[in-house]
Amino acid sequence: DTAVSQTPKYLVTQMGNDKSIKCEQNLGHDTMYWYKQDSKKFLKIMFSYNNKELIINETVPNRFSPKSPDKAHLNLHINSLELGDSAVYFCASSQEGSNSYNEQFFGPGTRLTVL
Amino acid sequence: DAKTTQPNSMESNEEEPVHLPCNHSTISGTDYIHWYRQLPSQGPEYVIHGLTSNVNNRMASLAIAEDRKSSTLILHRATLRDAAVYYCILDSGGYQKVTFGTGTKLQVIP
Repeated sequence: DTAVSQTPKYLVTQMGNDKSIKCEQNLGHDTMYWYKQDSKKFLKIMFSYNNKELIINETVPNRFSPKSPDKAHLNLHINSLELGDSAVYFCASSQEGSNSYNEQFFGPGTRLTVL
Repeated sequence: DAKTTQPNSMESNEEEPVHLPCNHSTISGTDYIHWYRQLPSQGPEYVIHGLTSNVNNRMASLAIAEDRKSSTLILHRATLRDAAVYYCILDSGGYQKVTFGTGTKLQVIP
């Protein structure tokens, strides 16, 4: 009964390909996120969705397109993969609200390697 | 975003207490102080959070300076399983983004 799950765990692909990473949370949270952790271990937010609506979109290439079919899912599609996209991608969720405590629950990560 | 500053790395002997410092001199009145940790090959996990008062939970204690410009995460007895990167971050809640810095890599020596 994993709280936040991601598939696949590992993804190896060629430059120029299109790939997707799926994320699901069973916590009933209304906000989900995608983070990228590069080789230097710096964890940077990419997107955030609240109730299926985009609320945070950091400076990310247009090749990255998040899709939220429902509150429990936030998938990340990447077009025309580049070498620099190689990283570990983490999905997270939280229950946003009027209070200021937004504990985020992270998935196990997807290690993407672009050859 | 308000920024945090942490040492890159720290070492501790097993079974000893560990004090992990964090400076956040530009913290605003609505910023909560959160600590997360990332074990090797895992996603970050929540450790503790606080606003003004010191906090304790089953994992750790959080000591917050009176002026709130710094805080310290205290692990009372470090175990080998506590070896991780510890992130101190500020979150003003609502729909604000949370920014993770580079964190402190804690090594626990048996």
